[in-house]
Amino acid sequence: SQTIHQWPATLVQPVGSPLSLECTVEGTSNPNLYWYRQAAGRGLQLLFYSVGIGQISSEVPQNLSASRPQDRQFILSSKKLLLSDSGFYLCAWRWGANYGYTFGSGTRLTVV
Amino acid sequence: DAKTTQPTSMDCAEGRAANLPCNHSTISGNEYVYWYRQIHSQGPQYIIHGLKNNETNEMASLIITEDRKSSTLILPHATLRDTAVYYCIGSGANNLFFGTGTRLTVIP
Repeated sequence: SQTIHQWPATLVQPVGSPLSLECTVEGTSNPNLYWYRQAAGRGLQLLFYSVGIGQISSEVPQNLSASRPQDRQFILSSKKLLLSDSGFYLCAWRWGANYGYTFGSGTRLTVV
Repeated sequence: DAKTTQPTSMDCAEGRAANLPCNHSTISGNEYVYWYRQIHSQGPQYIIHGLKNNETNEMASLIITEDRKSSTLILPHATLRDTAVYYCIGSGANNLFFGTGTRLTVIP
């Protein structure tokens, strides 16, 4: 069966510090991978998605970036965090269009 | 990417059926309707999905209108643990925005 791991669960970082959130999927190959962000009381907004190694599509201009160094690994990064980067970050995967998403447990990021 | 609209919030008495509507009038012909729910501070959890026919599983039932422009998620006997935010989305293209969903509160 497929599993998705996302870490850390919570993170408190000062403004201007770097960020690295990691997501890995097990039990499948060539998944579509996604990073979503959820601000407090808001819906989920797609940040990045990837359909293959090294292929990253960005949906929202921001100071975040994503990378996919391996087939089942998806990393969300920032060189310098802003206060507005605070939120709940969710990694997800699916086999492709018309398939459902499976979400990780999320990372709650607080930038102080 | 089908745009969906849902009521912001609903209440349901414990033990009664909860019926959560969703409008998806722009859904394409081969696009599935998926329902998820999110309990506070957790990732969304899959509930059920369907294309044209009504579906039922151990968690819920999904009723899709014949024109596929709307659907209703039914939790047959709501419990306190069903209190959550419920999202419906179309599965076609990558979903840019899940929306705010329906906040269901099950009342004892």
